[in-house]
Amino acid sequence: RKEVEQDPGPFNVPEGATVAFNCTYSNSASQSFFWYRQDCRKEPKLLMSVYSSGNEDGRFTAQLNRASQYISLLIRDSKLSDSATYLCVVGGYSNYQLIWGAGTKLIIKP
Amino acid sequence: DADVTQTPRNRITKTGKRIMLECSQTKGHDRMYWYRQDPGLGLRLIYYSFDVKDINKGEISDGYSVSRQAQAKFSLSLESAIPNQTALYFCATSDPGEGGNQETQYFGPGTRLLVL
Repeated sequence: RKEVEQDPGPFNVPEGATVAFNCTYSNSASQSFFWYRQDCRKEPKLLMSVYSSGNEDGRFTAQLNRASQYISLLIRDSKLSDSATYLCVVGGYSNYQLIWGAGTKLIIKP
Repeated sequence: DADVTQTPRNRITKTGKRIMLECSQTKGHDRMYWYRQDPGLGLRLIYYSFDVKDINKGEISDGYSVSRQAQAKFSLSLESAIPNQTALYFCATSDPGEGGNQETQYFGPGTRLLVL
């Protein structure tokens, strides 16, 4: 089993719709969780950290479920510019280590 | 100007050649990292450095070496390139002062390497 697993997609979603995807992780001791966004042929950029109580940033909501070991990302009122690959990132066994998922590709269609 | 830069952006080389990928940052961060990205896989850590005198192997360091020439510069070398080192390579930086463990990482634009 991969340490961090994501559905690779692509998720094809009409503009304005709500889309959600999950990421599962295997290390129950992980303390840090992030969503990064990566545009085609570009570098990853932090979208948001994921806090235990869940958090929201504009149209984006991230949640953590420690019992089931998954994090989720919800995007409301999706825009064409949201088309990208979303990378789930989980803290590893040491304070430097991040474990990266392979990403979920999202395509927003007009 | 970009905070984290990488050179070259694209490189084609032949099996057995030695090549160096360079990374520079103006963010003033002590921590620097080299990753590779392959289709269908998550980013994998090659080497990391927490300061100029600190170099550590990541999960896939075989076939690679690094040099931390200064706080702002971290180079990755492939001593004898092989085709399965064809990948997208990213340099990243982070600052522990931003919040403790597993702080945000800032990436360079990447180097696309093709080994023939």
